[in-house]
Amino acid sequence: ETGVTQSPTHLIKTRGQQVTLRCSSQSGHNTVSWYQQALGQGPQFIFQYYREEENGRGNFPPRFSGLQFPNYSSELNVNALELDDSALYLCASSFWTPMNTEAFFGQGTRLTVV
Amino acid sequence: AQRVTQPEKLLSVFKGAPVELKCNYSYSGSPELFWYVQYSRQRLQLLLRHISRESIKGFTADLNKGETSFHLKKPFAQEEDSAMYYCALLDAGNMLTFGGGTRLMVKP
Repeated sequence: ETGVTQSPTHLIKTRGQQVTLRCSSQSGHNTVSWYQQALGQGPQFIFQYYREEENGRGNFPPRFSGLQFPNYSSELNVNALELDDSALYLCASSFWTPMNTEAFFGQGTRLTVV
Repeated sequence: AQRVTQPEKLLSVFKGAPVELKCNYSYSGSPELFWYVQYSRQRLQLLLRHISRESIKGFTADLNKGETSFHLKKPFAQEEDSAMYYCALLDAGNMLTFGGGTRLMVKP
């Protein structure tokens, strides 16, 4: 068990609503990344936080936002939900150094937008 | 922008047969490449990384910069190797780009 936990495991929302997904990182990890995995595809990078600051972002619109807290937890917020936002959302944490780049993944939150 | 391609969605082999899961990448800088694996009902986990040059569970992968490839190989497949395999590239900005994944099925 890697120590990265996500909540909730499943969620159903209506188009136009807002959603918050949560991730509890492994203790001591300074970096958290979020990914969107559509059915049958590989994970796509949304953004990354390092020591509570966003330090990288993929090709996702601003309605995808996040936070990282001092207690190693983080959130992914999505506003104005669209049907295409239905996917598995993965959180990954790591203690990033140039020589240690392994990411530890959570089990994911499956979001369905109807 | 970087890109990782896994041309096979599904690879089916018999137990004891050799396995090669293909991965090609495009990236202008010096890449750091990984293979991640997801077994049934388990989370995504790191299998190996090219900088370690190690063999994990009998799997190896060599970075070929000339061919921009990082194929995953195992000489004798086992049933417990059945899983989803993802090739991933870490860029200079610490962003991890995944391929679309290959499902490996090892038949008895």
